[in-house]
Amino acid sequence: TQLLEQSPQFLSIQEGENLTVYCNSSSVFSSLQWYRQEPGEGPVLLVTVVTGGEVKKLKRLTFQFGDARKDSSLHITAAQPGDTGLYLCAGAFRTNAGKSTFGDGTTLTVKP
Amino acid sequence: GAGVSQSPRYKVAKRGQDVALRCDPISGHVSLFWYQQALGQGPEFLTYFQNEAQLDKSGLPSDRFFAERPEGSVSTLKIQRTQQEDSAVYLCASTLGRVMRPQHFGDGTRLSIL
Repeated sequence: TQLLEQSPQFLSIQEGENLTVYCNSSSVFSSLQWYRQEPGEGPVLLVTVVTGGEVKKLKRLTFQFGDARKDSSLHITAAQPGDTGLYLCAGAFRTNAGKSTFGDGTTLTVKP
Repeated sequence: GAGVSQSPRYKVAKRGQDVALRCDPISGHVSLFWYQQALGQGPEFLTYFQNEAQLDKSGLPSDRFFAERPEGSVSTLKIQRTQQEDSAVYLCASTLGRVMRPQHFGDGTRLSIL
């Protein structure tokens, strides 16, 4: 059973467009992380959210944690080709001893 | 270097051979993780160390998989009698504190079993 669902699986947009990707679960997260992974490299941690309703901004990226701590979203404003990559969310659940479980990611392609 | 270092970057082995994958975490990082990432999927947890103690090995697929971190620094993931389904990228991560959230990943070892 996949604890964590990411959508969409693939997203292809033009430079300058805005986009939102989602990370959902039926279980409550104790914390959630977003990573970006490029081909041939390991994931790079972007943000950790722990409080329901929390919003964090990282330049053009806005991360939101749902009030009930079952979902999260990543919004990118004015996407650039350098944003291209696999966006992974990873959640820690109290039911799995706090270890992080990853979703299968959203593959984002930003065309110049 | 300042980051997590994994070696080798690529490993090709014949089915049935044993392989050993090495991870050098960031100096001073207490927590170390191994993940397996199949093509087109997210990383899957294999095992977790806090210093030299292996606190969680629930993700290891079978008893052919063995991990150690004898001095609380470098870690080795060993796979015995490799099978084709072991083909994947093996990622190592480390975190400064005693938490089960991976913070810094290496670039992985791509293992191909022929």
